[in-house]
Amino acid sequence: GAGVSQSPSNKVTEKGKDVELRCDPISGHTALYWYRQSLGQGLEFLIYFQGNSAPDKSGLPSDRFSAERTGGSVSTLTIQRTQQEDSAVYLCASSLGAQNPKLFFGSGTQLSVL
Amino acid sequence: DQQVKQNSPSLSVQEGRISILNCDYTNSMFDYFLWYKKYPAEGPTFLISISSIKDKNEDGRFTVFLNKSAKHLSLHIVPSQPGDSAVYFCAASDGGTGTASKLTFGTGTRLQVTL
Repeated sequence: GAGVSQSPSNKVTEKGKDVELRCDPISGHTALYWYRQSLGQGLEFLIYFQGNSAPDKSGLPSDRFSAERTGGSVSTLTIQRTQQEDSAVYLCASSLGAQNPKLFFGSGTQLSVL
Repeated sequence: DQQVKQNSPSLSVQEGRISILNCDYTNSMFDYFLWYKKYPAEGPTFLISISSIKDKNEDGRFTVFLNKSAKHLSLHIVPSQPGDSAVYFCAASDGGTGTASKLTFGTGTRLQVTL
């Protein structure tokens, strides 16, 4: 597809369960970002991948959060032992490179932790 | 520490009038600024941007103004249309870090354009 694709679009889970969120960036985009937007809040940076470099994990809120990017393309964000405060929209974005600030976003995954 | 601030959570404007959305920042190292527009259940989409070497950038009905001394930027939409109703996010970038694509976002302003 032409845009950033995220799945699932909605995820409802029980507290304590693990969840995996998937992002398929635009082909050729070497930079990939995960952000989240909690209710009434702005976009909070979580993690950044650029090519084969080590990811910038400085925004991950706890060690329950992790992400990987396989083959420089698809990325998975994993949240272990989910808590109610993890409920948010998780947005993935990609860009042409580290020095290109024009990000293209997916539609997000709405995560609800009951 | 909110480095990019949008102090107005919402704004209502009549169709045909000017909409002015404001954004303030605290980090003097920011050198590139962007506005994104977000409709419900969709991801943000890029609207317009401005480099710190300029003080104005115009694209059709959208104009962004940058006042570096005041660390303030604004987005003007003229004339406003009902389809402009959305949440608008201001974002900033520090190219000096080597990662200009790592954006810092504001909390957004919800614009409603009424008939």
